Amino acid sequence: DAGVIQSPRHEVTEMGQEVTLRCKPISGHNSLFWYRQTMMRGLELLIYFNNNVPIDDSGMPEDRFSAKMPNASFSTLKIQPSEPRDSAVYFCASSSPAMGQPSNQPQHFGDGTRLSIL
Amino acid sequence: AQSVTQPDIHITVSEGASLELRCNYSYGATPYLFWYVQSPGQGLQLLLKYFSGDTLVQGIKGFEAEFKRSQSSFNLRKPSVHWSDAAEYFCAVGDGGYNKLIFGAGTRLAVHP
Repeated sequence: DAGVIQSPRHEVTEMGQEVTLRCKPISGHNSLFWYRQTMMRGLELLIYFNNNVPIDDSGMPEDRFSAKMPNASFSTLKIQPSEPRDSAVYFCASSSPAMGQPSNQPQHFGDGTRLSIL
Repeated sequence: AQSVTQPDIHITVSEGASLELRCNYSYGATPYLFWYVQSPGQGLQLLLKYFSGDTLVQGIKGFEAEFKRSQSSFNLRKPSVHWSDAAEYFCAVGDGGYNKLIFGAGTRLAVHP
């Protein structure tokens, strides 16, 4: 089975440009998570969706960041305008429906998008 | 609030030596616990998980972890480390609904030949 697919794998762009990161979750998974990883701050949860609905976006650093999930098989994370401090590796993860409460399904991660803002 | 602490930022072991990576959690109810491994340039890969039952959990790549409720710990072990085990290891606890996870800061493992 295909895992979580992220594109592009690498992105280099100039400050001020719009950046769009893409994620295709594992088929049948109904939760999707966006993370950012840097040396200074480690792994940070930005936003997560359940059944295509955003549940918690409190980790989104600024209004320059936005995320959408128009259907069960696709999500985007957009940064507009981008800044050098946005340089990081961005991960998408998905998980299958929870079996009761609290949730107990593991997350499956993509290989990430390495973003460099010059 | 729920939290995960990995006390060791870096650990170096010799190839063939045993390994134990520490993880302590803070969670009000029965925790769901996970260990992930991240190799350079890759995403996080699930090593093992604990939900209930036997407190000693076996995972992939020869790893195991033991849940100790009295110590709020979920330490990861491997009896003999291989050079390919050099990576960063993350402990995580399930945080309520929607399969959200709280991650520790990670432990970077170096393996000397």
